Amino acid sequence: QKEVEQDPGPLSVPEGAIVSLNCTYSNSAFQYFMWYRQYSRKGPELLMYTYSSGNKEDGRFTAQVDKSSKYISLFIRDSQPSDSATYLCAIEAGGYNKLIFGAGTRLAVHP
Amino acid sequence: EAQVTQNPRYLITVTGKKLTVTCSQNMNHEYMSWYRQDPGLGLRQIYYSMNVEVTDKGDVPEGYKVSRKEKRNFPLILESPSPNQTSLYFCASSFGDRVYEQYFGPGTRLTVT
Repeated sequence: QKEVEQDPGPLSVPEGAIVSLNCTYSNSAFQYFMWYRQYSRKGPELLMYTYSSGNKEDGRFTAQVDKSSKYISLFIRDSQPSDSATYLCAIEAGGYNKLIFGAGTRLAVHP
Repeated sequence: EAQVTQNPRYLITVTGKKLTVTCSQNMNHEYMSWYRQDPGLGLRQIYYSMNVEVTDKGDVPEGYKVSRKEKRNFPLILESPSPNQTSLYFCASSFGDRVYEQYFGPGTRLTVT
């Protein structure tokens, strides 16, 4: 079993839709949970991170962590064509100085 | 401008010909790391460095070497490249206590024939 599993998509939605992106992870000791966005031909950039459980909101983006079910989510409200990218979830393996990434979900928002 | 730079951005080489991909950051970050990105496999860590002269293996270190002689630079060395090292490579950096907040370079696309 992979440490982080992510549905690769692709996911295609109309502009204005609410998008839900999800990952599952296997190790309950993980504490930091991140979402990175990667545009085509670019390096990943950090969107937001969450420490432990709960929600975190930043504009149209909400990150959610459910440690009881080892499930992390990213919600995008009022999606825009500029949100079209690959979204990577990542976990910090505490004490190991490393990030473990999901395979990424490709999102396309069409006008 | 705060950034991570990589060179070259694109490289086509032949099996066995030694090459170096450079990485430099201007943010005074202690932590630096190399990843490779392959379709369906996501980003996998090759090597990382917590500070000058401190390096350690990631998940896929075979066939790669690194060095950290200066804080800003972290070159990736392929001494004898093979076709299975054809990939997209990213360098990243962060402050040592904020490994979750990594800044990535633009990537180097390497093809080994």
